[in-house]
Amino acid sequence: AQRVTQPEKLLSVFKGAPVELKCNYSYSGSPELFWYVQYSRQRLQLLLRHISRESIKGFTADLNKGETSFHLKKPFAQEEDSAMYYCALKVGSQGNLIFGKGTKLSVKP
Amino acid sequence: DGGITQSPKYLFRKEGQNVTLSCEQNLNHDAMYWYRQDPGQGLRLIYYSQIVNDFQKGDIAEGYSVSREKKESFPLTVTSAQKNPTAFYLCASSINSNQPQHFGDGTRLSIL
Repeated sequence: AQRVTQPEKLLSVFKGAPVELKCNYSYSGSPELFWYVQYSRQRLQLLLRHISRESIKGFTADLNKGETSFHLKKPFAQEEDSAMYYCALKVGSQGNLIFGKGTKLSVKP
Repeated sequence: DGGITQSPKYLFRKEGQNVTLSCEQNLNHDAMYWYRQDPGQGLRLIYYSQIVNDFQKGDIAEGYSVSREKKESFPLTVTSAQKNPTAFYLCASSINSNQPQHFGDGTRLSIL
């Protein structure tokens, strides 16, 4: 079955602390994974795409096929990182995405 | 992205009524998508369209209908057959199926 799991509904860290948002997937094909972020009162926007292998706003994510994971990491969290984060898996050739249920990141001062 | 416009922002429907949610994009994107978001849930795909005059059912298409008569427009109709229509609806588009999706601001539908 195709599935994306984000085990944490809420993750709370202090400013300057490292943060890791977990994402695991289940997919029989070659996975293509994304992280989307939704800041308060803003629309959902793309944060990272695994094939780009880039760092955006200090966040990185590495696809680990052995562990079927695509965890999002940042070494030093900032208050402006507080948002809802969704992991998504592209399935098939039509571009369809399967989303996880999301993790709310709260960065405290 | 300012190029994807969903209207209205809030919509109220009486029981038994059909209602249509608008999604317009001026990004010249071929692919368009409709998702439904419920509290504590991820986004679930309702319908998608890769090209004008063609669309496919997603995971939860029952009780919904769409049309794609123009490249820039992909309206979603929530019919009376949808038993639990109260939700947040998000429209997305992408250049093609290989490129990331960009989302609108969403429409919140409530039943009176």
